Amino acid sequence: DGGITQSPKYLFRKEGQNVTLSCEQNLNHDAMYWYRQDPGQGLRLIYYSQIVNDFQKGDIAEGYSVSREKKESFPLTVTSAQKNPTAFYLCASSIAAEAFFGQGTRLTVV
Amino acid sequence: EDQVTQSPEALRLQEGESSSLNCSYTVSGLRGLFWYRQDPGKGPEFLFTLYSAGEEKEKERLKATLTKKESFLHITAPKPEDSATYLCAVQSDNYGQNFVFGPGTRLSVLP
Repeated sequence: DGGITQSPKYLFRKEGQNVTLSCEQNLNHDAMYWYRQDPGQGLRLIYYSQIVNDFQKGDIAEGYSVSREKKESFPLTVTSAQKNPTAFYLCASSIAAEAFFGQGTRLTVV
Repeated sequence: EDQVTQSPEALRLQEGESSSLNCSYTVSGLRGLFWYRQDPGKGPEFLFTLYSAGEEKEKERLKATLTKKESFLHITAPKPEDSATYLCAVQSDNYGQNFVFGPGTRLSVLP
């Protein structure tokens, strides 16, 4: 089945630690996105990529990094510079219009 | 700057009680307006895309409409399984292929 797979579903991070969230798609979509969702707020764009080996910062990129070495994969690293990383992270992909989402990763700082 | 607002923030309905959710937008050059449904702890599920004022789309008990300033998601005779958060998003000339999301409306349908 075609779709977007995010892993892990739950992730715990210690203070000062970097963690990487995985996002893989087999929809052959060019564009991929990372969003952060906090309770009561809309989705906020962290990074996006419209083509392999190219990506741009979104509205809240500070403390995050990404890579796009393959069309299918767009991993997000939450670095120790991100002061408030506890949130629900969503990956999406798009080919022209509507975006399709993965099931999300819930990151908690312990 | 593009902006999307949604109202009400939360809505509680009895089963069978029809109502509408509102999505108001301020954008420069609308390319598309999108409705999603999101269940707790899950990713948003795509429902509809609307491109121009006057356009309507339907799916089961849901009907989405679009004007030059807002979109409505009409829910006819809702069932408890329609309970979810409904998100609205836009694409515009300002942001190309990126999306600006509204905060969502939390819908609860009571049996």
